[in-house]
Amino acid sequence: GNSVTQMEGPVTLSEEAFLTINCTYTATGYPSLFWYVQYPGEGLQLLLKATKADDKGSNKGFEATYRKETTSFHLEKGSVQVSDSAVYFCALDYNTDKLIFGTGTRLQVFP
Amino acid sequence: DTAVSQTPKYLVTQMGNDKSIKCEQNLGHDTMYWYKQDSKKFLKIMFSYNNKELIINETVPNRFSPKSPDKAHLNLHINSLELGDSAVYFCASSHTTGTGNQPQHFGDGTRLSIL
Repeated sequence: GNSVTQMEGPVTLSEEAFLTINCTYTATGYPSLFWYVQYPGEGLQLLLKATKADDKGSNKGFEATYRKETTSFHLEKGSVQVSDSAVYFCALDYNTDKLIFGTGTRLQVFP
Repeated sequence: DTAVSQTPKYLVTQMGNDKSIKCEQNLGHDTMYWYKQDSKKFLKIMFSYNNKELIINETVPNRFSPKSPDKAHLNLHINSLELGDSAVYFCASSHTTGTGNQPQHFGDGTRLSIL
């Protein structure tokens, strides 16, 4: 079946460091791919998405490229801030309007 | 201008009780969802409704009964609460396109604690 695998956290970084959170997926065909972010005590918010191969989603300095050949959608940011501390979820939707989430990766950024 | 609002935000109750969580969205979406997030932050879909019709019903005990009086509301009633029901429950909504490329908008969650 369809599934999403994310790197285990927590990821601990100093401010202005480079961030990568790995995400790979298993799906037949071409699902839409998403990154959601959950700040403490809040619900999930869409961070970015890509709906076809080679698409790059970007928002708030975060980027992720839909790589069909490696079935990956890694999240990157060039310079993280303390305010980026949150839990990040990779997710896919394969034409069903039903999101399948990864297990989430906690990011902690220290000044 | 809360887009997806859930009430209550916190719910503490005894095992065996019956409780409800309400959800409303003002985004004009036609599909609404309930998710359960466990203590390890793992998120799993429970139900989805499209225009008041049940679309997704994952393997959820029948103690959980969703009700959608109209497409802007999706409530969750839970009978005979058990310790394992302790979790954060999220409501979400989206437009339905059948292509799976529409983002979902989430409420802030209801933290349910069973004593």
